[in-house]
Amino acid sequence: GENVEQHPSTLSVQEGDSAVIKCTYSDSASNYFPWYKQELGKRPQLIIDIRSNVGEKKDQRIAVTLNKTAKHFSLHITETQPEDSAVYFCAASNNYGQNFVFGPGTRLSVLP
Amino acid sequence: DAGVIQSPRHEVTEMGQEVTLRCKPISGHDYLFWYRQTMMRGLELLIYFNNNVPIDDSGMPEDRFSAKMPNASFSTLKIQPSEPRDSAVYFCASSFLGRGVGEQFFGPGTRLTVL
Repeated sequence: GENVEQHPSTLSVQEGDSAVIKCTYSDSASNYFPWYKQELGKRPQLIIDIRSNVGEKKDQRIAVTLNKTAKHFSLHITETQPEDSAVYFCAASNNYGQNFVFGPGTRLSVLP
Repeated sequence: DAGVIQSPRHEVTEMGQEVTLRCKPISGHDYLFWYRQTMMRGLELLIYFNNNVPIDDSGMPEDRFSAKMPNASFSTLKIQPSEPRDSAVYFCASSFLGRGVGEQFFGPGTRLTVL
């Protein structure tokens, strides 16, 4: 089955700096890679996703890159703000939602 | 749509008691997922259904856990008997496969405490 690793487990950055979170996956059949944000005491919510037919996707201050050959994908947050502080989860799945596996999460703290 | 609805939001019970968690997915969604979240183990997929049929229950920790989806608008996760190590937040999520896998919409979660 799929195995998703995520690094770092914790990350602290100064407000305005960039943050990068990296994930690797094991199943070459995976072709859907979402990122979820979970604020303290709340539910996970999708912030961005990417499919295997593209290498990069951007949405305002967040971007995701995918390297299918190396089986890794990354989340980039620019101009971080205190409200970006949360736990971020990457995940991987095939196109049918099978083998949908979350990474262990990264706790991001943005220091004012 | 009100989103995914879960009940109860909080449950405190004693070891050995039966616990039933409930979920109403978003109308029209054809996938339903049950997750368990703890600090130690993160977000674990327990089981998921497609069109009310259980597809993969390999994440169910043991026979004390069971899940059903009698119709498209309701699912239950039952723990019998409950144990302190079952204490966690249990999330239900639903999605619509459509033209391919997409966003999972999570419910607010049920915080279970087993004393």
